[in-house]
Amino acid sequence: NAGVTQTPKFQVLKTGQSMTLQCAQDMNHNSMYWYRQDPGMGLRLIYYSASEGTTDKGEVPNGYNVSRLNKREFSLRLESAAPSQTSVYFCASSIRQGATNQPQHFGDGTRLSIL
Amino acid sequence: RKEVEQDPGPFNVPEGATVAFNCTYSNSASQSFFWYRQDCRKEPKLLMSVYSSGNEDGRFTAQLNRASQYISLLIRDSKLSDSATYLCVVNRLDQGGKLIFGQGTELSVKP
Repeated sequence: NAGVTQTPKFQVLKTGQSMTLQCAQDMNHNSMYWYRQDPGMGLRLIYYSASEGTTDKGEVPNGYNVSRLNKREFSLRLESAAPSQTSVYFCASSIRQGATNQPQHFGDGTRLSIL
Repeated sequence: RKEVEQDPGPFNVPEGATVAFNCTYSNSASQSFFWYRQDCRKEPKLLMSVYSSGNEDGRFTAQLNRASQYISLLIRDSKLSDSATYLCVVNRLDQGGKLIFGQGTELSVKP
């Protein structure tokens, strides 16, 4: 089972470049999430999609946009990359946001460096 | 003050030791609780959910005290393979079920 698949796994960008991080899940989950993880900061929610057709801001949305393309896919876009966006990005999914005792399942991350 | 707080460690223990991790959360609206494990530079993986009555999975025991807003994880007979960072996670149903992550407690099990 693939679970949650993220592409690319590694990327180096120059300041000002744009790129899209892709995420797909094959577990028929309704809800999907994007996090970033920085040293000493823990995981912080960027955006989430409670269900197909909806997206909402998380804790740190500035500089990012998202698209819930269909039930399986949730992409994260950096329109004009900045060095402060250097981080490890994780996509996650869950059966349904708000459901009790339903954990999130994570992809293996995208390591992004902005020079 | 962070909403979910953990001792960052690191905890350095010998194989076979028993180790306990503590976690406190500040918002009583938190409804679901989890422990995740994260290996270096890898994705977080669910270790176990935490139920009000406490629950056990092999060498791992999780406890929840809602009155004190406190969660614990006990690992018995530590293995080298238990070396990882352990994340305490709470689910805020009043915020649409968002997960709030602690910063993690690092465990290093030595031979």
